[in-house]
Amino acid sequence: EAGVAQSPRYKIIEKRQSVAFWCNPISGHATLYWYQQILGQGPKLLIQFQNNGVVDDSQLPKDRFSAERLKGVDSTLKIQPAKLEDSAVYLCASSLEQGVTTAFFGQGTRLTVV
Amino acid sequence: AQRVTQPEKLLSVFKGAPVELKCNYSYSGSPELFWYVQYSRQRLQLLLRHISRESIKGFTADLNKGETSFHLKKPFAQEEDSAMYYCALTLWSTGGFKTIFGAGTRLFVKA
Repeated sequence: EAGVAQSPRYKIIEKRQSVAFWCNPISGHATLYWYQQILGQGPKLLIQFQNNGVVDDSQLPKDRFSAERLKGVDSTLKIQPAKLEDSAVYLCASSLEQGVTTAFFGQGTRLTVV
Repeated sequence: AQRVTQPEKLLSVFKGAPVELKCNYSYSGSPELFWYVQYSRQRLQLLLRHISRESIKGFTADLNKGETSFHLKKPFAQEEDSAMYYCALTLWSTGGFKTIFGAGTRLFVKA
């Protein structure tokens, strides 16, 4: 089966600029996750969607981060404006449903803010 | 607060030696625990989960609720086991389930 697709793979921007990441989950997967992984740390959940509704966005810095999954399939994560501390790998994952089901991860987007 | 702790950032063993990657969790409810692995230049992927009670690539993990641990073990390490390993806890939170990851342990198996 096709895996979770993410683009771009790499992005370098200056602080205060905007950036957007795109994710296409595995077909039929209702749950989609965005994680932030800072160097040396484990993935941290930013936002979780169930179809096109938000399940958990408690750790999303809403003053600068936004995410949407309009048709319950693809998703975009945006940062505006970016800060130096946003430098990280942004991982998208999907699963058939919530709970104790396997999450499949994309390759990630490595963001460097200079 | 719910937390997953992996005390070792790096674990280096010789090929053929036993390996144990430690994971402790903090959660008052009934935990669902997983081990994920990331090989060099590959994406993060599920290795095993405790409810399946399975052995994958020779690895096993037993949930010890008394010690709140879910250590990953393999009796004879292979060079191809070198990777980053993450312990993860899925729990019920407001609005639904969420998964918390530990910081990860890098396993290096020497020839």
